[in-house]
Amino acid sequence: GESVGLHLPTLSVQEGDNSIINCAYSNSASDYFIWYKQESGKGPQFIIDIRSNMDKRQGQRVTVLLNKTVKHLSLQIAATQPGDSAVYFCAETPGYNFNKFYFGSGTKLNVKP
Amino acid sequence: GAGVSQSPSNKVTEKGKDVELRCDPISGHTALYWYRQRLGQGLEFLIYFQGNSAPDKSGLPSDRFSAERTGESVSTLTIQRTQQEDSAVYLCASSFYRGQPQHFGDGTRLSIL
Repeated sequence: GESVGLHLPTLSVQEGDNSIINCAYSNSASDYFIWYKQESGKGPQFIIDIRSNMDKRQGQRVTVLLNKTVKHLSLQIAATQPGDSAVYFCAETPGYNFNKFYFGSGTKLNVKP
Repeated sequence: GAGVSQSPSNKVTEKGKDVELRCDPISGHTALYWYRQRLGQGLEFLIYFQGNSAPDKSGLPSDRFSAERTGESVSTLTIQRTQQEDSAVYLCASSFYRGQPQHFGDGTRLSIL
């Protein structure tokens, strides 16, 4: 079956530091990956995505790295701010079935002022 | 509206009752997803609609769960004879087409007494 998991369930960082949130997946056919941010009482919010033909993609203050060899995905947040405090989920879908996205269990990011 | 809208935002009901949850996707989005999120956990895929194609119901946990969607508009998720284990947040998401980033509503928090 599909398996998307996270190494660290909780991450605490100091405001201004960089944050790295990791995610492992098990399906070598995974083709498309998304990072979501979920604040308390809200639905997940899209942050950044990456397809399997890339190994790095940058957005505003965020970078996603994909290592297909070891089936590992990471989200880097630069200059972390208190507003970044939330639960972060990775999600993946295999290229043969875009109907389903498989979500990890989430990492809670605490940003200390 | 500008985003995905779900109603009600909260629902408390007695065990054994039926509940109906509603999702209004973003206008023009052909793909619609329902997920279940238990407390402190990731998202569990339930069902997927794409335009007028047959829905992917493979994530529905039992025959007590059903969902409908009228064309490319409103969807309803119905849970019959609710059980306490059905208590969760039910999230709806839509995207322009399958395999693209999903836009989530804020969910319906369902509590079964």
